[in-house]
Amino acid sequence: DAKTTQPTSMDCAEGRAANLPCNHSTISGNEYVYWYRQIHSQGPQYIIHGLKNNETNEMASLIITEDRKSSTLILPHATLRDTAVYYCIVREDQAGTALIFGKGTTLSVSS
Amino acid sequence: NAGVTQTPKFQVLKTGQSMTLQCAQDMNHEYMSWYRQDPGMGLRLIHYSVGAGITDQGEVPNGYNVSRSTTEDFPLRLLSAAPSQTSVYFCASSYGTGAFEAFFGQGTRLTVV
Repeated sequence: DAKTTQPTSMDCAEGRAANLPCNHSTISGNEYVYWYRQIHSQGPQYIIHGLKNNETNEMASLIITEDRKSSTLILPHATLRDTAVYYCIVREDQAGTALIFGKGTTLSVSS
Repeated sequence: NAGVTQTPKFQVLKTGQSMTLQCAQDMNHEYMSWYRQDPGMGLRLIHYSVGAGITDQGEVPNGYNVSRSTTEDFPLRLLSAAPSQTSVYFCASSYGTGAFEAFFGQGTRLTVV
């Protein structure tokens, strides 16, 4: 079973920040938080990952709480092309450990 | 650098037929995996491999076989297709250890009639 809990759906206006929450209250010390998204049944696309520090790349920012029990993915200026299903996944940094997908959050960006 | 390539993109099978879904990657990744995605659902792990000659079962392995004779290729075999195997199949690859991103293919859409 997925180790994360995400809202089923969220809406966001184009140009505004999209903040997608994820709960992972049972995360262990060697587990990373990963975010992927899937646009219209294409293959999932990696967005960002982190262990305990906040991370930022060209796509998004990842904010992880100090106790690591939850995190937020931030798309700073959402566009219509960001409409997708967003998956929050926790995974150990060990050989052979798989990405286990839950149902994710469907983000709808509208103009 | 093509990334992860899946063939075919679409396939229709009759119940009881067998076939192989192909997956190839050119990034020298140790870790490869197969997922299936049913309508409105998340991805479920079928089988995975941590390197040539090593495979293991995921969440939903029944009805599928895999082998890994080379680093580049990880084919998925449907032994006797059933309508319940109608799904979209995704192959993924990544470095085996460490916190690395996984790269996914564009999927194979399989219909079993």
